[in-house]
Amino acid sequence: SYVLTQPPSVSVAPGKTARITCGGNNIGSKSVHWYQQKPGQAPVLVIYYDSDRPSGIPERFSGSNSGNTATLTISRVEAGDEADYYCQVWDSSSDQGVFGGGTKLTVL
Amino acid sequence: EVQLVESGGGLVQPGGSLRLSCAASGFTFSSYWMHWVRQAPGKGLVWVSRINSDGSSTSYADSVKGRFTISRDNAKNTLYLQMNSLRAEDTAVYYCARSDSYSGSQLDYWGQGTLVTVSS
Repeated sequence: SYVLTQPPSVSVAPGKTARITCGGNNIGSKSVHWYQQKPGQAPVLVIYYDSDRPSGIPERFSGSNSGNTATLTISRVEAGDEADYYCQVWDSSSDQGVFGGGTKLTVL
Repeated sequence: EVQLVESGGGLVQPGGSLRLSCAASGFTFSSYWMHWVRQAPGKGLVWVSRINSDGSSTSYADSVKGRFTISRDNAKNTLYLQMNSLRAEDTAVYYCARSDSYSGSQLDYWGQGTLVTVSS
């Protein structure tokens, strides 16, 4: 089955840029979606199809996907961005959804 | 406004059964695929199952295949997850989520989740 690998944690100072990676075999050939989850809340979609933003998501959130790594970039990080972030793809060979293990973003 | 409201969670003994429901409103339910995603306490998100728009096609995670059944009633705007032969490792918050009607699309709206606890 397809595996997505994320770093368990990323720390960044307010106002700086956070980059959260999602590794997978030839992930660049798949569509990657990113979700933000704050404690006690349901996940929220923040990036879809590698780099598109849903309405209501700040332009500070962006995404890219190439080769074996997809990246969620959060510019000018704010305290309110502190959350767990998950990447997700669809594995067409098994017809199953796959999530990465999640990355806890800490704002210092 | 799109709303997804899960219900049916609770405490069940190992080997028991439970049926979860997800009531949808604010969109044309029959036009979307629907999914179940779960999250064990303190752990990450795990995709469980999905069903296509008219219910004719389903898929499951290997960990629940043969034990769980996803279904939908488009007349009632409701998604279901029948869970049989429950195990301790099935303990989790179960979320329903919707996606566009094609493989690979994003889960754009999620419910608030319902907690299932499998314990004796």
